Amino acid sequence: QVQLQQSGAELMKPGASVKISCKATGYTFSNYWIEWVKQRPGHGLEWIGEILPGDIITNYNEKFKGKATFTADTSSNTAYMQLSSLTSEDSAVYYCARRVIKGGFAYWGQGTLVTVSA
Amino acid sequence: SIVMTQTPKFLLVSAGDRVTITCKASQSVSNDVAWYQQKPGQSPKLLIYFASNRYTGVPDRFTGSGYGTDFTFTISTVQAEDLAVYFCQQDYTSPRTFGGGTKLEIK
Repeated sequence: QVQLQQSGAELMKPGASVKISCKATGYTFSNYWIEWVKQRPGHGLEWIGEILPGDIITNYNEKFKGKATFTADTSSNTAYMQLSSLTSEDSAVYYCARRVIKGGFAYWGQGTLVTVSA
Repeated sequence: SIVMTQTPKFLLVSAGDRVTITCKASQSVSNDVAWYQQKPGQSPKLLIYFASNRYTGVPDRFTGSGYGTDFTFTISTVQAEDLAVYFCQQDYTSPRTFGGGTKLEIK
């Protein structure tokens, strides 16, 4: 069955970068877009962007251009999101997710909590 | 970006009640709207896709409808286990955007 397993919680200093991973199992990793979503209390859910691992095609929400960078390693079926120049506004839970084919995000990772604090 | 305006923000209901949540898109999104349930401490769970299609394994008390800019999500008979936050999302165009969420509490 499709599973997305994310890396663990991170405590980061302001100005640092962090790289979150999302390991996919149960399907052909190259063929499906991986979505990245941010969730902060009081701010709901925000779509950061997506990557198609096989072709390394990326689409970013304009709001997160320069903040987030997506990569993927098809040999390990793992997608990554790097967040740079961290501030307190980046403290959030980050999810990776995948559609079945189209129409809503059917599969979600368990979330990675990133805390930015001096 | 398309804004998804979701109402109400909060609902306090009794088990057995009927619940309706609405989402209004700032421009047409065809039928490309999904609804999610997020229970405390969990990831969101897809309930409805393409406005009215129930995802695999979702109980039939959850339904969705709408097209264009106006969408409705209904729980026909609320159960205690439905305590959660519900979100709508347009998947029609980038950037994908979510409604602000509706927190459902059970008396």
